[in-house]
Amino acid sequence: AQKITQTQPGMFVQEKEAVTLDCTYDTSDQSYGLFWYKQPSSGEMIFLIYQGSYDEQNATEGRYSLNFQKARKSANLVISASQLGDSAMYFCAMREGRNSGTYKYIFGTGTRLKVLA
Amino acid sequence: EAQVTQNPRYLITVTGKKLTVTCSQNMNHEYMSWYRQDPGLGLRQIYYSMNVEVTDKGDVPEGYKVSRKEKRNFPLILESPSPNQTSLYFCASSPDRFTDTQYFGPGTRLTVL
Repeated sequence: AQKITQTQPGMFVQEKEAVTLDCTYDTSDQSYGLFWYKQPSSGEMIFLIYQGSYDEQNATEGRYSLNFQKARKSANLVISASQLGDSAMYFCAMREGRNSGTYKYIFGTGTRLKVLA
Repeated sequence: EAQVTQNPRYLITVTGKKLTVTCSQNMNHEYMSWYRQDPGLGLRQIYYSMNVEVTDKGDVPEGYKVSRKEKRNFPLILESPSPNQTSLYFCASSPDRFTDTQYFGPGTRLTVL
C-alpha cells in the first residue's frame, strides 16, 4: 500500500547546526511528487520544498535541501544552519496516482523538531 | 492577495447538528482538496476535486460530503457530526491536477461534543 514513513517522532538540534529529518515512501507509481511542509505552533501548513520523481538533481530552497534517493525510496529533508524559528512539526508528503488518474496526497505522521539555543 | 480561505476558523458543535465548513480560493485553481489532521496520524485526505462537478474520495471520506458547483468554492459538509470527527481540517488547492504543489488554507478547528 502507498505510504509515507517518518520514523523520528521528535528531534533536537543545536542552533546553527544541520539536521536531517528522515522520510521513506512506498508507491507503485513511476511518476510522483515528494514534499516537505512545516507546521509551526500557530498551525498553518507552510510549503518548504518539492522533488519530482523524474528530477535528477536534489531540490534545494535556501537552507532546505531534499536528499532524494530513488532506489532506496527515501526523501530526507536537510536543514542547514538551524535557527530557533525552525522549531516546528515537519511533514513529509507524496502525491501519486497519475497512472491511475486518482491524484491523491499522502502525508507522514510528522517529526517535531526543537532547536536549542 | 492569492489565498485559500476557510470559515469558520473555530467551531464547537454538538453531535448530529449538520454543519458546513467553507473553502474558497481566488487563484482560479482547478484542484481542491480537504484534509483532517489528528495527533499521531498526520494529515489524511478526505475528498478532492479535479474541477467543477468532479469529486472523488480520499482515504477517509466516511461521514463527509463535498460539492464543487463553482471553481472557487469547495465546501465540506458534515451531515451528522460525531465526536470522532473532532479534528483540525485543512483545505488546499493547486492550479490543476498536473501541478503537485498545493496551497493550504489556515485550518478549521472543529470540536464535536
